[in-house]
Amino acid sequence: DAMVIQNPRYQVTQFGKPVTLSCSQTLNHNVMYWYQQKSSQAPKLLFHYYDKDFNNEADTPDNFQSRRPNTSFCFLDIRSPGLGDAAMYLCATSKDGTPRLGWLFFGSGTQLSVL
Amino acid sequence: GENVEQHPSTLSVQEGDSAVIKCTYSDSASNYFPWYKQELGKGPQLIIDIRSNVGEKKDQRIAVTLNKTAKHFSLHITETQPEDSAVYFCAAPGSGANSKLTFGKGITLSVRP
Repeated sequence: DAMVIQNPRYQVTQFGKPVTLSCSQTLNHNVMYWYQQKSSQAPKLLFHYYDKDFNNEADTPDNFQSRRPNTSFCFLDIRSPGLGDAAMYLCATSKDGTPRLGWLFFGSGTQLSVL
Repeated sequence: GENVEQHPSTLSVQEGDSAVIKCTYSDSASNYFPWYKQELGKGPQLIIDIRSNVGEKKDQRIAVTLNKTAKHFSLHITETQPEDSAVYFCAAPGSGANSKLTFGKGITLSVRP
């Protein structure tokens, strides 16, 4: 089945130690998103790629970076994780940027812990 | 930007009863309204969605109703089952060429056996 796959499922890192989370998709969608979700909160959009065009949200800290080497893969890099960055990180895709029925598909997420 | 609010924040119902979750939005130009279900430790999954040119949509035990005048939409779950227990998020895209989904804070639905 076509899907959005995130690895790893759980990630533990140390305070200040760079960490990379990965996302792959078999849907051949043009747009890939990264959301941060803290406990009992709504997913918060960090940034997204429309094809190769990177779009950063205004309030996303510089500590968060992203790479999209090809259509299928997208990476979230946290350069110096702090305790406040512990969260579930969700990758999502959409065929294009236009909201429509069945628009956004999520992966299962990576739960990041910072020690 | 779009502002999405959900009420209540938690809801507990008896198995077999109906559950209704309401969501309000601020941008009258929003034209697409999805509901996502998130089970513990998993990513949100789309369960039903509706466009602004439709007032109601049903899919088996779930339905969504939209009131554009009042800018609110609701998720209706009938004959609730324990597996319906989860967090439910509504969302709206706002307007503009670069509109993106803004999520509500979510409601935790508990279905008591």
